[in-house]
Amino acid sequence: DAEITQSPRHKITETGRQVTLACHQTWNHNNMFWYRQDLGHGLRLIHYSYGVQDTNKGEVSDGYSVSRSNTEDLPLTLESAASSQTSVYFCASRKDRAAGELFFGEGSRLTVL
Amino acid sequence: GESVGLHLPTLSVQEGDNSIINCAYSNSASDYFIWYKQESGKGPQFIIDIRSNMDKRQGQRVTVLLNKTVKHLSLQIAATQPGDSAVYFCAERYSSASKIIFGSGTRLSIRP
Repeated sequence: DAEITQSPRHKITETGRQVTLACHQTWNHNNMFWYRQDLGHGLRLIHYSYGVQDTNKGEVSDGYSVSRSNTEDLPLTLESAASSQTSVYFCASRKDRAAGELFFGEGSRLTVL
Repeated sequence: GESVGLHLPTLSVQEGDNSIINCAYSNSASDYFIWYKQESGKGPQFIIDIRSNMDKRQGQRVTVLLNKTVKHLSLQIAATQPGDSAVYFCAERYSSASKIIFGSGTRLSIRP
């Protein structure tokens, strides 16, 4: 079955280190999204991509970057991790911009010490 | 799986009763709205959607109502079951950019 997977599921790192969270989907979806989920804030959009070589900033993009070199993957990079980036990160995908439903991964819990 | 212990509004409902979860959305230009359910330790899952040219849509045991005048969305769950216990999020699609923005969520708790 097609799916969306995130790795690692749990990560502990130190302030200032670079961290990359992987997201891989096998539906051949054009659109992919990264959200973070924190106490009292629900899901906030970090970055999104509508296709290969396309990336866009979301509501809380500072300190994060993404790249889209193929359809299947949208890795999220924290160039210099900060304690404020401790969160649960969810990747999601949908077929295209006309489609509404997002399909989510199981999440990656990142702790920055 | 992953989840966060969100300090969310909580709705407590007796098993078998109907549940109504409300949401206020922000963008009057949004053209599409979705309800998601997030169980503990999992990613959000699609429940039901509605386009802005509709005011009501029904699914299996769920109904979504849209009031564009006051920018309000509600999710009604009939005959609430223990398996309905979760956090529920509304989401809107900003038509200009097609990005999906989520509300803050409501925790539904079921009393036996």
